[in-house]
Amino acid sequence: DAGVIQSPRHEVTEMGQEVTLRCKPISGHNSLFWYRQTMMRGLELLIYFNNNVPIDDSGMPEDRFSAKMPNASFSTLKIQPSEPRDSAVYFCASSPGTGSIAKNIQYFGAGTRLSVL
Amino acid sequence: GDSVTQMEGPVTLSEEAFLTINCTYTATGYPSLFWYVQYPGEGLQLLLKATKADDKGSNKGFEATYRKETTSFHLEKGSVQVSDSAVYFCALTIGSIQGAQKLVFGQGTRLTINP
Repeated sequence: DAGVIQSPRHEVTEMGQEVTLRCKPISGHNSLFWYRQTMMRGLELLIYFNNNVPIDDSGMPEDRFSAKMPNASFSTLKIQPSEPRDSAVYFCASSPGTGSIAKNIQYFGAGTRLSVL
Repeated sequence: GDSVTQMEGPVTLSEEAFLTINCTYTATGYPSLFWYVQYPGEGLQLLLKATKADDKGSNKGFEATYRKETTSFHLEKGSVQVSDSAVYFCALTIGSIQGAQKLVFGQGTRLTINP
């Protein structure tokens, strides 16, 4: 199993540019989560999907952030326009979503380190 | 709301020392509890879990017991190794009607083991 795959691993961009982060969850997993990690704020849940449907986006910082999951094997997190305070490591995680115990175990990708200059 | 509080880091120990990282939680209902570990440059990975009171989760020499009476889930290891150096996160689930439940994480505790 390849695990959760995120791309790119590193992204450097200039303020005002659009940034798109990509995630391929583990095959067969029904739930997908986007997190942001910074030294100041720790690990924050941005949004999560069950069966491709957004369930809770209350963690999305503002309208500049949007996330989509067009099918079970792909999700994007977009920032437009980007700002220096968006610099962070963004993680995607997936979870089986079914079964009494295993459904809550999240499997994380290696993350995308975003730097906005 | 539901929350997790971990002991402040960083924690620095010598190899073969005993480790305890404290974790307490506040939750409505009966959450499941988790410890995740993040090695440098990597994403988080599940270390152990417990789904009901008095359950003990264990993995790689680490243990944690779900204590409902003290709302705690402290992580312990009897003899740490340099390879245990990482950031450790305590987490609980928040219920949802169906599908996977989102996790609430503590702030993380950075552990450094010196040879």
